[in-house]
Amino acid sequence: DGGITQSPKYLFRKEGQNVTLSCEQNLNHDAMYWYRQDPGQGLRLIYYSQIVNDFQKGDIAEGYSVSREKKESFPLTVTSAQKNPTAFYLCASKTRRESYNEQFFGPGTRLTVL
Amino acid sequence: GENVEQHPSTLSVQEGDSAVIKCTYSDSASNYFPWYKQELGKGPQLIIDIRSNVGEKKDQRIAVTLNKTAKHFSLHITETQPEDSAVYFCAANYGAYKYIFGTGTRLKVLA
Repeated sequence: DGGITQSPKYLFRKEGQNVTLSCEQNLNHDAMYWYRQDPGQGLRLIYYSQIVNDFQKGDIAEGYSVSREKKESFPLTVTSAQKNPTAFYLCASKTRRESYNEQFFGPGTRLTVL
Repeated sequence: GENVEQHPSTLSVQEGDSAVIKCTYSDSASNYFPWYKQELGKGPQLIIDIRSNVGEKKDQRIAVTLNKTAKHFSLHITETQPEDSAVYFCAANYGAYKYIFGTGTRLKVLA
C-alpha cells in the first residue's frame, strides 16, 4: 500500500539532546513537509522540500534541521536549540504537479522532552 | 502575513443535525482550499477540497462552498453521526507548495 510512515510513534528525549524523527513515503511524491502541532493550534510549517537536495525554511524553523538526500525520505532533527520541542510532529507529501494539490499526511510522532 | 481564520473552535450538535464550519483567508491568490479531519492521535485525512474555479462541491453528506469575493469558504456536514466527531482543519494554499492552516474546530456529535 502507498503511504507515508513516521517513526517512532512516541519519542522521549532529555533536555539538551538532539533527536531525529523519521519520515518515509512511497507515493513517488517530490514535495515533502514537516509540521508541528500544539494543542488548540493549527499546523505550523517547519520545513519543506520541493525536490531532492533542496529544502526551504517554514514559519518556525529555528531549532530544527532537515535533509533530503533521497526522494522517499525527509528526516527532521530537533536540536537542543529548540526551546519548547514537546509537540506532535506531522510529515506530509504531495506531487509537484500543480493540478494535484492534495497533501497526504503521515500518522505523526509525539515528542516529549523530559 | 498570510492567515486563515477558522470558526468556531468547538461545535456540539445533536446526531442527525447539520454542522457548519467557516474559514476566512487573506491571500487573494489562493486557489485551493482543502478540509482535513483529524482523529485523536492520528494524522489529518483529506475529506473534501475545492478549487477556485467552482463555488460548491458535494460528496455525500459533506459539502464545501467558496466565496472568492469575500474570501470565505465553509464546510457543511449534514445528518451528522457520532463518527463525525473529530477535529476539522481548513487550509488555503500560498503559492504552489505552501499551505496555511486554520486553528481547527473540535466537532462533537451528541447521540
